[in-house]
Amino acid sequence: DQQVKQNSPSLSVQEGRISILNCDYTNSMFDYFLWYKKYPAEGPTFLISISSIKDKNEDGRFTVFLNKSAKHLSLHIVPSQPGDSAVYFCAASYGGSQGNLIFGKGTKLSVKP
Amino acid sequence: GAGVSQSPRYKVAKRGQDVALRCDPISGHVSLFWYQQALGQGPEFLTYFQNEAQLDKSGLPSDRFFAERPEGSVSTLKIQRTQQEDSAVYLCASSLAMQGDTGELFFGEGSRLTVL
Repeated sequence: DQQVKQNSPSLSVQEGRISILNCDYTNSMFDYFLWYKKYPAEGPTFLISISSIKDKNEDGRFTVFLNKSAKHLSLHIVPSQPGDSAVYFCAASYGGSQGNLIFGKGTKLSVKP
Repeated sequence: GAGVSQSPRYKVAKRGQDVALRCDPISGHVSLFWYQQALGQGPEFLTYFQNEAQLDKSGLPSDRFFAERPEGSVSTLKIQRTQQEDSAVYLCASSLAMQGDTGELFFGEGSRLTVL
């Protein structure tokens, strides 16, 4: 069973608009959540994270929202830029450790000029 | 180099062949991880090292998979008697943090293994 789910395999957004990528999880033990971005033929790169004691974390154009009761998190990108086109992975971990990250399958974001 | 370096970038193996994948983490990074990413899937945890100690190998899919980091720096992931289902991208990541701390993982570009 998948513990971290990204139900949208792809998302297409116009440049300048908001991109919203969603992630659901099933394990209530998760207490740390991360988003990674991946370009083709490159390794994933860390984007933003959030601890379960918070419900929002913001870094420039990127904001992650966490709804613990719904076991749902989302990544907002405002405004979206063509360079944001990539695969975005949601990941979660137990007990503060980033070792055993559990990843979703990813959402491919395309930002059109 | 400044980042995590993996080699080879691409490897084609015949079924039954042994392969070795190398990871050179960022200098000074205590923690090293191996992940396997099959086509269309997210990365899946294989194993974790803190310095030279392999603290978690719960993700290794079979005893054909073996990883080592003898001097606490470079790591090698070895796959014996490769099978077609081993075809995937093998990602190495390192972190300054020790397990239990929160710290960003820095991933290499991966080694793409194709088993024919």
